[in-house]
Amino acid sequence: KAGVTQTPRYLIKTRGQQVTLSCSPISGHRSVSWYQQTPGQGLQFLFEYFSETQRNKGNFPGRFSGRQFSNSRSEMNVSTLELGDSALYLCASSLAHSKNIQYFGAGTRLSVL
Amino acid sequence: GQQVMQIPQYQHVQEGEDFTTYCNSSTTLSNIQWYKQRPGGHPVFLIQLVKSGEVKKQKRLTFQFGEAKKNSSLHITATQTTDVGTYFCAGLSGNTGKLIFGQGTTLQVKP
Repeated sequence: KAGVTQTPRYLIKTRGQQVTLSCSPISGHRSVSWYQQTPGQGLQFLFEYFSETQRNKGNFPGRFSGRQFSNSRSEMNVSTLELGDSALYLCASSLAHSKNIQYFGAGTRLSVL
Repeated sequence: GQQVMQIPQYQHVQEGEDFTTYCNSSTTLSNIQWYKQRPGGHPVFLIQLVKSGEVKKQKRLTFQFGEAKKNSSLHITATQTTDVGTYFCAGLSGNTGKLIFGQGTTLQVKP
């Protein structure tokens, strides 16, 4: 069974630009969650999607948005990038709910210059 | 908002010594999960605890869930260099349904 796939693995952007990250969950998993990981802040929850609907949202500004498609693939978008958005963005899929085991992808390393 | 605090943030031990990381929540949790992230890798699920006072073991790792379901611990006996990494607890809020990660404890093991 293929794991969670995130693309791209690395990204370099400049301030003010926008970026879209992609996540393909494990086959059969319907819940996709996104996390931001930085050295000082650990894993910060961004949002969770289930059946194309946002089910939970963390405390991030509106510049961070996401969506989920009918095949459970998810995308995350960050607009008007700031230097502080530099981080590892991790996607995790689970069967049906965040209470289930989270299977993480390798992440997208975003650097904002 | 609800927080899950994890201590210590860093721990350096000599190979063969024991190691413990603690997780505390401000509110009651439905369950708690533990993950390990190797350097340069991504978090990998270790275990889930659901019942009050539950204790589970995986070889040299012992996981406990407090009686009040507000705290948890992970204890590693006789650490090995393969134990190096960051250990995260993640508590599922009974109120909001959100899975909240602790800040993680980074373990370094000196051979």
